[in-house]
Amino acid sequence: DAGVTQSPTHLIKTRGQQVTLRCSPKSGHDTVSWYQQALGQGPQFIFQYYEEEERQRGNFPDRFSGHQFPNYSSELNVNALLLGDSALYLCASSPDIYYGYTFGSGTRLTVV
Amino acid sequence: AQKITQTQPGMFVQEKEAVTLDCTYDTSDQSYGLFWYKQPSSGEMIFLIYQGSYDEQNATEGRYSLNFQKARKSANLVISASQLGDSAMYFCAMSGKVAYSGGGADGLTFGKGTHLIIQP
Repeated sequence: DAGVTQSPTHLIKTRGQQVTLRCSPKSGHDTVSWYQQALGQGPQFIFQYYEEEERQRGNFPDRFSGHQFPNYSSELNVNALLLGDSALYLCASSPDIYYGYTFGSGTRLTVV
Repeated sequence: AQKITQTQPGMFVQEKEAVTLDCTYDTSDQSYGLFWYKQPSSGEMIFLIYQGSYDEQNATEGRYSLNFQKARKSANLVISASQLGDSAMYFCAMSGKVAYSGGGADGLTFGKGTHLIIQP
């Protein structure tokens, strides 16, 4: 049973560019959340998608946007990249009514 | 707003000893969930244990147990008989809702983590 898969695993972008990260949730999970983890810090909640809509959002600017597709997979888009956006981006999925999240291994984004 | 505090940046423990990782939390929610995750160097967050705010019994999962003291707002993780493979970052996290309140859990608020190193 495949868990949460994220692509790509590593990415290098230039300041000002745009980036799209992808996530496929664990089979049977329909809720997807995204987190940003800076080096040496705990993950910070970006937003959560359920039924193709943004259900909850953390304290992140509008440069961070997302999408959920009918097959429950999700994308995280970041526009106008800043050096401070360099981080590990984690995707987590869960069934609708469940209290545990399954995380992927993340995408490490480096902005230069 | 929710807040998680982990006061131990790093810990060294001898193999086979028990380990207690500290976590205190702050929230104005009446219903919430508390989680512990393990993050090895590969980056993946591995779910260890969950405690609901209305659960009267402390949660246990194999070698992991959660010492939940609601009045003190603490949720310490206890690992019994530590193993070399337990070396990793450990994060305490909380969610503003629990499953049985409907609609799934809110996004997680994480602490800064504790780097646990098990020595042979």
